[in-house]
Amino acid sequence: QSALTQPASVSGSPGQSITISCTGTSSDVGNYNLVSWYQRHPGKAPKLMIHEANKRPSGVSNRFSGSQSGNTASLTISGLQAEDEADYYCCSYAGSSTWVFGGGTKLTVL
Amino acid sequence: QMQLQESGPGLVKPSETLSLTCTVSGGSISSSSYFWGWIRQPPGKGLKWIGSIYYSGSTYYNPSLQSRVTISVDTSKDQFSLKLSSVTAADTAVYYCARLQTAGEAFDIWGHGTMVTVSS
Repeated sequence: QSALTQPASVSGSPGQSITISCTGTSSDVGNYNLVSWYQRHPGKAPKLMIHEANKRPSGVSNRFSGSQSGNTASLTISGLQAEDEADYYCCSYAGSSTWVFGGGTKLTVL
Repeated sequence: QMQLQESGPGLVKPSETLSLTCTVSGGSISSSSYFWGWIRQPPGKGLKWIGSIYYSGSTYYNPSLQSRVTISVDTSKDQFSLKLSSVTAADTAVYYCARLQTAGEAFDIWGHGTMVTVSS
């Protein structure tokens, strides 16, 4: 069970859109439509932003969207805002009631 | 609004057992809609799923930690616990407890996390 692969960092200017990728294998991301995304601000608990690849929980801004193709899932943030600066983690079901996270991506809003 | 709160020692000696408890408030741990999980984050590294438990006591562990991990549940207290044996410095991390939705298949509520340092 290897960690999902995410870029270490991405950046964008306010108002722009950015996309964070999350690459797994046919044993996890590619085999299930069960990728979730989490936002974590320093010193705070992770917050669920997307579940089941493209579903937004109640209360999450519609500027956040998710997609999946094959072994890669993506999180897109549109209309970037300063408050979006945080670490983002993907997570996938890996079968047999096990889960695997990505290494995390640091988003910097320039 | 359900909340989760981790508790336990912040310092553990090498080779000893790390023990943490997660207390669930604002709801019952005995719901068929949820699993309950432990996740950790070593300094400067990403999140790692440690394991999950159902209120019935069924457990699921990360294969890389399975030989050292025990997760248990106490439904009378709405608590679940983590024990990690034979710890080393590599187990130093922020440990989170979280609720796992069986419907949305995601960790939708998290505790604030507790830092555990393994050091003599």
